[in-house]
Amino acid sequence: TAGITQAPTSQILAAGRSMTLRCTQDMRHNAMYWYRQDLGLGLRLIHYSNTAGTTGKGEVPDGYSVSRANTDDFPLTLASAVPSQTSVYFCASSGTGGSYNEQFFGPGTRLTVL
Amino acid sequence: GQNIDQPTEMTATEGAIVQINCTYQTSGFNGLFWYQQHAGEAPTFLSYNVLDGLEEKGRFSSFLSRSKGYSYLLLKELQMKDSASYLCAVMDSNYQLIWGAGTKLIIKP
Repeated sequence: TAGITQAPTSQILAAGRSMTLRCTQDMRHNAMYWYRQDLGLGLRLIHYSNTAGTTGKGEVPDGYSVSRANTDDFPLTLASAVPSQTSVYFCASSGTGGSYNEQFFGPGTRLTVL
Repeated sequence: GQNIDQPTEMTATEGAIVQINCTYQTSGFNGLFWYQQHAGEAPTFLSYNVLDGLEEKGRFSSFLSRSKGYSYLLLKELQMKDSASYLCAVMDSNYQLIWGAGTKLIIKP
């Protein structure tokens, strides 16, 4: 089974340009998440969705937007990229938004904004 | 504020035992997770503790003390493939995971 897929694997983007990072899961999980991971810092939650049709802001939502039109897909959009958004982005999903539900992670997208 | 502390880096010898500590201060507690992350890869789930005590899973064990805001991950019979970063994460009152920066474990032959 594929689990969670992310695209692209890596990208170099000019500052000011927009970009959408794609995330698709085939586990029928209700909850999905977007994190960024920077050296020396823990994973930081950008946005999340507890179920299709709903989204919420995480710890670092500014400059990012998400949508959840269906269960499987959870794209992350950078409207106007800035160099501080250079990071590795991980999409994750879990069975529900509740207590014990381990999160499964996609392989990540390495984004460089110049 | 919310805070998860774990050592930045640890070194251990193949075949030995290593304990990675994690202390936390969060708004609410709905469980503590440990994940393993090899360089350039995604985190993968190792363990979950919500009650005090020790959870054992093969060569890996995880301990929790809620009153002390403390957990550790114990790795026995270390193998070279255990070289990775180990991430501690606490689920807060909003059911969001708060992550530590991770402990890079280096295994030497």
